[in-house]
Amino acid sequence: GAVVSQHPSWVICKSGTSVKIECRSLDFQATTMFWYRQFPKQSLMLMATSNEGSKATYEQGVEKDKFLINHASLTLSTLTVTSAHPEDSSFYICSARDPREGQAGELFFGEGSRLTVL
Amino acid sequence: QKEVEQNSGPLSVPEGAIASLNCTYSDRVSQSFFWYRQYSGKSPELIMSIYSNGDKEDGRFTAQLNKASQYVSLLIRDSQPSDSATYLCAVNRGSQGNLIFGKGTKLSVKP
Repeated sequence: GAVVSQHPSWVICKSGTSVKIECRSLDFQATTMFWYRQFPKQSLMLMATSNEGSKATYEQGVEKDKFLINHASLTLSTLTVTSAHPEDSSFYICSARDPREGQAGELFFGEGSRLTVL
Repeated sequence: QKEVEQNSGPLSVPEGAIASLNCTYSDRVSQSFFWYRQYSGKSPELIMSIYSNGDKEDGRFTAQLNKASQYVSLLIRDSQPSDSATYLCAVNRGSQGNLIFGKGTKLSVKP
């Protein structure tokens, strides 16, 4: 099946620094990727929809200037957490769907990136 | 009302028993429904997808969908300790196909 890969799997940074997380689709081209965030014992919350070649669509309450999303190619989307603070510590997961399977196809998830901001 | 609701559990069943997980959703126009399994510290993995009313079976797993009642369930037969995880119900929403997740039900299968 299709594979989505994320990097890094975990990162620790100091408060005020920026962290970039990469999400790649390995065997299909993804015009759309989804970024989710999961706090401990909570469900996955959609942060934004990343669109290749255009601006990302952010969910209500997600600061677009803080969570920068770039989808420069059909296989790579990046999420940059700018000026990270301890409350941004979370599990960030990207996902994508093989367009050949249509909108109802399986949503494949990356391995997730655990961010800890000190 | 939350878009996707699940009983958070924990649900504890003995090994070999049937585990029943339930989910309700609020958006009547939703057409695609998914069950994901998530082990602690890992990302979700797809267990079942269902699109039509009725039952869908895959090995030890059976998904049930009732669109009139806006209800989805997952049955796990012959539960194994390795089935212990959090099970997330997800509903397709939006023209771009993103998923809305429930909070998940934590299942514990006791040997």
